[in-house]
Amino acid sequence: LAKTTQPISMDSYEGQEVNITCSHNNIATNDYITWYQQFPSQGPRFIIQGYKTKVTNEVASLFIPADRKSSTLSLPRVSLSDTAVYYCLVGDIENSGAGSYQLTFGKGTKLSVIP
Amino acid sequence: GAGVSQSPSNKVTEKGKDVELRCDPISGHTALYWYRQSLGQGLEFLIYFQGNSAPDKSGLPSDRFSAERTGGSVSTLTIQRTQQEDSAVYLCASSSPWQLAGGADTQYFGPGTRLTVL
Repeated sequence: LAKTTQPISMDSYEGQEVNITCSHNNIATNDYITWYQQFPSQGPRFIIQGYKTKVTNEVASLFIPADRKSSTLSLPRVSLSDTAVYYCLVGDIENSGAGSYQLTFGKGTKLSVIP
Repeated sequence: GAGVSQSPSNKVTEKGKDVELRCDPISGHTALYWYRQSLGQGLEFLIYFQGNSAPDKSGLPSDRFSAERTGGSVSTLTIQRTQQEDSAVYLCASSSPWQLAGGADTQYFGPGTRLTVL
């Protein structure tokens, strides 16, 4: 199970681009990288997922270098509503069966967007 | 379509009592997860169900915790003889077969049940 390391918190002003980096030095070949967002009093919500290079959707971009030992979630032009906790997860369910699969969300990165 | 639902949304109980928390996953999702989140903390994995396979119970903190999933759909998490340290938000998530979703598992979370043990 790949361990991830993220900053505990980040602050940003509205309209700025925010980059949150996650380290996962022992990522395995079959592991994917997934980011979730959690607002207060709600369950986490899927944002983006990738395996290598760059992935972009309507919400964010995910940059993954060639060695895959880290990944960066990029949020363009954040607004106050982007204030949340962001979790980076690394894992592979493809080849796991019952008894071998476990998810570790960790404490995530608390992003505070300032007016 | 309907998302993951959980009931009750809030539960207050006295120390030593048993509680049951319910999760209704998204229809067709074969995988179901239970997590626990204490105030200001990250999510703690509890148990994982996948289809008809034996569940992964490796995250259950003690034998007071158990979960079942009937008919591959609804799941119930039971905590016996509750303790004050069991107070937390209990989150349920479900996911579709990875082969259809592409890539690795993408989980859809319910709103959680806030459990308070007095």
